Amino acid sequence: QKEVEQDPGPLSVPEGAIVSLNCTYSNSAFQYFMWYRQYSRKGPELLMYTYSSGNKEDGRFTAQVDKSSKYISLFIRDSQPSDSATYLCAGRWSARQLTFGSGTQLTVLP
Amino acid sequence: KAGVTQTPRYLIKTRGQQVTLSCSPISGHRSVSWYQQTPGQGLQFLFEYFSETQRNKGNFPGRFSGRQFSNSRSEMNVSTLELGDSALYLCASSLVEANTEAFFGQGTRLTVV
Repeated sequence: QKEVEQDPGPLSVPEGAIVSLNCTYSNSAFQYFMWYRQYSRKGPELLMYTYSSGNKEDGRFTAQVDKSSKYISLFIRDSQPSDSATYLCAGRWSARQLTFGSGTQLTVLP
Repeated sequence: KAGVTQTPRYLIKTRGQQVTLSCSPISGHRSVSWYQQTPGQGLQFLFEYFSETQRNKGNFPGRFSGRQFSNSRSEMNVSTLELGDSALYLCASSLVEANTEAFFGQGTRLTVV
């Protein structure tokens, strides 16, 4: 079993929709949780990160972590075609490396 | 401010050969991590260097090695290439070791034939 599980999709939504991307993890030691966005032929770009449980909002993006259920979510409001990319969740504990999910491919249709 | 620079962008090598990839981190960043990305396995951690010392190592065979120079630039080397080594190799830099904010380069696409 992978430490971070993520539905690979693909996921297609119409422009303006609310997108919900989800991951589950098994490592209880994870303290930091990240969401990266990766466009085709590019490296991953850090969208946001949270520490422990709770919500964090940045513009149209909201990250949510529920440590009791080991569930990580990213919500995108008013989705745009430019949001079309692969979204990667990741967890980290202490001074260890990032452990990534396999990524969810999102397409926002104009 | 320049981002993370990886060279070369694309490489084609033959089985059995060796390859060296280079990563120049963001100016002022002292930590460099390397990841392998494949469609089947996703992003997998290779190793992290900080202040010229390897701090963490992933679960890869000894054919994969790396180093970091005093200017924080890093190289990774893969010897005796196998077909399964074909992947996108990504480098991430951060200010300090295991920093939450890691910035990735565009990667080197390695194809082994």
